[in-house]
Amino acid sequence: GESVGLHLPTLSVQEGDNSIINCAYSNSASDYFIWYKQESGKGPQFIIDIRSNMDKRQGQRVTVLLNKTVKHLSLQIAATQPGDSAVYFCAEMSASSASKIIFGSGTRLSIRP
Amino acid sequence: IAGITQAPTSQILAAGRRMTLRCTQDMRHNAMYWYRQDLGLGLRLIHYSNTAGTTGKGEVPDGYSVSRANSDYFPLTLASAVPSQTSVYFCASSPGQAFKETQYFGPGTRLLVL
Repeated sequence: GESVGLHLPTLSVQEGDNSIINCAYSNSASDYFIWYKQESGKGPQFIIDIRSNMDKRQGQRVTVLLNKTVKHLSLQIAATQPGDSAVYFCAEMSASSASKIIFGSGTRLSIRP
Repeated sequence: IAGITQAPTSQILAAGRRMTLRCTQDMRHNAMYWYRQDLGLGLRLIHYSNTAGTTGKGEVPDGYSVSRANSDYFPLTLASAVPSQTSVYFCASSPGQAFKETQYFGPGTRLLVL
C-alpha cells in the first residue's frame, strides 16, 4: 500500500552541525512533496517543497533532495540552531489523485548545546 | 493578516455532547481542510472543501460534519462526541484546487472527550 514514512523517529544533533532528516515514499505517482516543521503545541509550518521534475531545491539553510529512483526524500538543515528543535514530517501528493495527501508520522529533531 | 485562526484553543467535552470547532482564514484561499493528529499516527484528513459550497470526505470522516457557506469559514462539527475523538484538530487551507498546492495550517484545537 501507499506509505510515507520516516527512517528515524528521533534525531539528536550538535548545535552548529548539519541535520539530515529522511523520508521514504511508496507511491511512484507522487509528484509533489512538502516538508513541514511542527514545534511543540503549534500547527505544522511549511518549510520547503519540491516537485518531481526537480532533484534538489534550496531555501534558507534548508535543502530538499528527491531521489525518485529509490523513492526517497531528505531534508538537510545547515548549521542547526536551537530554534530548529521540532518534529519534521514530509507529505506527498499526486496530480493523478484527486483528493489525497499522505503525511509521514514525523521525526523529532533535538539539538545538543 | 492573521492567516488561519481556530477556536477554541482547547476544550474538555462530555461524551454525547455536540461541539463545533471553528476555523477562519483571511488569505482568500479556495481550499480548506480539517485534520486530526494523534500521537504516532500523523495527520489524518477528516473533511475538505475545494471551494465555497462544496465539501468532500477524507480518510476519517465518520462522526464529523462540515459546511462551507462562504470562502473564509469552515467549521467542523461533532454531532455526539465520543472519547475516541480526543485529539488535536488542525484546520488548513491552500490557495488553489485542493491537494494540488501547499497547505497552510492553523494553530490547532486540543479536544478531550470524557
